Amino acid sequence: DAGITQSPRHKVTETGTPVTLRCHQTENHRYMYWYRQDPGHGLRLIHYSYGVKDTDKGEVSDGYSVSRSKTEDFLLTLESATSSQTSVYFCAISTTGAFGYTFGSGTRLTVV
Amino acid sequence: LAKTTQPISMDSYEGQEVNITCSHNNIATNDYITWYQQFPSQGPRFIIQGYKTKVTNEVASLFIPADRKSSTLSLPRVSLSDTAVYYCLVGALSGGYQKVTFGTGTKLQVIP
Repeated sequence: DAGITQSPRHKVTETGTPVTLRCHQTENHRYMYWYRQDPGHGLRLIHYSYGVKDTDKGEVSDGYSVSRSKTEDFLLTLESATSSQTSVYFCAISTTGAFGYTFGSGTRLTVV
Repeated sequence: LAKTTQPISMDSYEGQEVNITCSHNNIATNDYITWYQQFPSQGPRFIIQGYKTKVTNEVASLFIPADRKSSTLSLPRVSLSDTAVYYCLVGALSGGYQKVTFGTGTKLQVIP
């Protein structure tokens, strides 16, 4: 779908370890996003990027950092994973209007 | 951030029209309203977006009253494959900063 892929699809990690999730797009879209989805909370914006090396915080950015060194790649790093960061993480790109996203297939992260 | 409220679940028979409403009482002037569909283990999929009045595309209609404090997604003649969770999103660009709120979703069950 619109050339957006996330890796890995599943990951189990230990508390306190750093974790990096990758989002890759093939269509040269300017805006890229990281969301997390949790039961009862819907989707919440973590960080977004509006260009290479241009990023900004979303609603739930504490404990996360991002980097975008190339248009096609947007990385999300959990600096020191905690159990509260167990979630499904979705990457998205803007393809239709301001908030018409195309989402990736998600990464299911479990922190034990 | 705009606060959004959706019914938790709805049931409908095949062939019926389904209307799902999202309340967003504190919507801001610049906010757009977008609806997504999500199947299990997949990322959300864009359905429709609007600002005011009525928008229609090949799969749905979106009704937004003049006060914009709510919006209604209308799915004509649903089929079993429309069983999914539907999310509304209210969001705007404000001074370059993106403010986005997803609803917690409405689980639609289509019954044969």
